[in-house]
Amino acid sequence: AQTVTQSQPEMSVQEAETVTLSCTYDTSESNYYLFWYKQPPSRQMILVIRQEAYKQQNATENRFSVNFQKAAKSFSLKISDSQLGDTAMYFCAFMKRYSGSARQLTFGSGTQLTVLP
Amino acid sequence: DTAVSQTPKYLVTQMGNDKSIKCEQNLGHDTMYWYKQDSKKFLKIMFSYNNKELIINETVPNRFSPKSPDKAHLNLHINSLELGDSAVYFCASSPAGGYEQFFGPGTRLTVL
Repeated sequence: AQTVTQSQPEMSVQEAETVTLSCTYDTSESNYYLFWYKQPPSRQMILVIRQEAYKQQNATENRFSVNFQKAAKSFSLKISDSQLGDTAMYFCAFMKRYSGSARQLTFGSGTQLTVLP
Repeated sequence: DTAVSQTPKYLVTQMGNDKSIKCEQNLGHDTMYWYKQDSKKFLKIMFSYNNKELIINETVPNRFSPKSPDKAHLNLHINSLELGDSAVYFCASSPAGGYEQFFGPGTRLTVL
């Protein structure tokens, strides 16, 4: 079974600054995906960024980037130039790659990020 | 157009009642899921259906019964509601062979 750990329940950052959210995971799988999802106060789950474990290059999506360390089983999210709209709960999630149609997400406990004006 | 929709968005009911939550996706996806988010915001998979066939059934009380009349719909029926069933329930879908899951807006269930 896989586990995902987010050790920072809450974080805050000043607008326009950079913040890094931590995530570690435990798995015996070698092929998998990692994700960061954002849940703003509206409750909607929004995919922020994904990383395929077989790719060494860290994923980047505009102001969002990850630091993927496969050997350390670490997957942190960096948000640059933080904006007020980034205020949300951020979830790290794991999915086995070769699981047929049973592609379930295993989530961490979340980090509540508040961007301060 | 809404990709994954759920009805209702809010549901308040008494303990012991039976209720249903409906989910529909218009993305043409083959796989649909139900997740439960508890009061501490922890999200956990409950069920997964692929082309109307149950694929994943995590340790969920048998008071919860998913129903998939076709691959665009996955409804969740809950019998004999208990206080501990209070949570936000999310429906999601993904395409065949795809890894990205698209979530509905969630249904907040409150059992009194």
